[in-house]
Parts: sequence; structure tokens; C-alpha cells
Amino acid sequence: AQTVTQSQPEMSVQEAETVTLSCTYDTSESDYYLFWYKQPPSRQMILVIRQEAYKQQNATENRFSVNFQKAAKSFSLKISDSQLGDAAMYFCAYKVGGTASKLTFGTGTRLQVTL
Amino acid sequence: GAVVSQHPSWVICKSGTSVKIECRSLDFQATTMFWYRQFPKQSLMLMATSNEGSKATYEQGVEKDKFLINHASLTLSTLTVTSAHPEDSSFYICSASFAGGPETQYFGPGTRLLVL
Repeated sequence: AQTVTQSQPEMSVQEAETVTLSCTYDTSESDYYLFWYKQPPSRQMILVIRQEAYKQQNATENRFSVNFQKAAKSFSLKISDSQLGDAAMYFCAYKVGGTASKLTFGTGTRLQVTL
Repeated sequence: GAVVSQHPSWVICKSGTSVKIECRSLDFQATTMFWYRQFPKQSLMLMATSNEGSKATYEQGVEKDKFLINHASLTLSTLTVTSAHPEDSSFYICSASFAGGPETQYFGPGTRLLVL
């Protein structure tokens, strides 16, 4: 069974600094997708970034980038120039290919952003 | 684009009553919808996957007679919590995806259920 592990229950970063959230996963599949979702206090799940396993290039979305290490089954999220609005729960998630396939979530990392 | 709504956003009901939660895709045809449950400070737990016109596939440990899921159209799925009890109090979230679309689930804003 696929598992997703987030080993950092909480992280803190100062405004304008950079923080990296860790995620590892276990799978025997070759075609899969990895995601980082943000859940602010409103509890609305927001897609931050997506990585296709077949792509070697790391995905980036503005201040958000990932370090995808396929052999190590590692998928960390780097947030640059942190802003107060980045404070939220961040969930790493995995799914195999196919729009009907389910997401498997990690336990989440709560990110605090301080002044 | 790819907006998903849920109704109601919160609901309080008495123990023993049934509650229906709606999940709608507003600007796309959702061939697959997913229902999650989230307890405070915990991750999302998948309850079931439903494909339009088919019976839902429930995850292990989820009572299908307790949590009735209907996906009768390409824009609407409903979750009915039957004979609700206080332990059913939780945050319920739906998501949707569409065939041929990106490999992404689009999430609704969630429904907070409190059973008294």
C-alpha cells in the first residue's frame, strides 16, 4: 500500500525567510503524481504545486518549489520569501495516474510564520 | 475554473436524524467525486469514491449503510449521514475530478457537522 510520511508536525519561519517542508512516500508504481496542498484556517484545501513522476524537472510555482528525488522517494516543498499568508497546514499527497484514482495524504505539517 | 461548492457549510442536527450534504461542480463535469472526513488537527481520510451513475466504492471501515453516497449527475454528488450520532460530528470535504482533465482533485470548502 502507498504511504505518505510527513515527519515535521510543526515548523516555524520568519517572514521573508525560506523554509522547507519534508515528505517521503512509498510506492511500487512508476506512473504517479505528487502534490502539496495548503489548508488555511478556513479549511479550504488549496493546491500549491503538482509534480509528475515522469518529469525530472522540479516543479515551481512562484515562491513555491519542490525538490523531487525519485530514487529516494522524497518530495520536499520549499517556500521562499515567506509571507504571513503562508501560515497553514500543508499536506503532501500522492496518487497514481488516472483522474479516478484516490489521493493518499500525509499527516500534515503546521507552518507558522512569525514577524 | 474548476470550482466545487458544498452545501451546507455547517449543520447542527439532533442525534438520530439524517443529514444530507451536497457537493457540486460548478464549471465542469465531474466524472469522479470523492468524500473525505477530517477530524480536528488530523489529515483527510477518504471515505468513498463515486463515479457518475455507478455505486460508490467505500474505503475499508466506512459503513456504507451509514454514509449513503449518490452521484446521480455529472455535477452533483450527495452524502447522507443516516441516523447521525455525536461521534459522526466532523468536517466533511468533497473533491472532484474529470476524465481527460489534469491529474488534480478540486476540493469543496467543506461542511462542518455537529450532532447533538
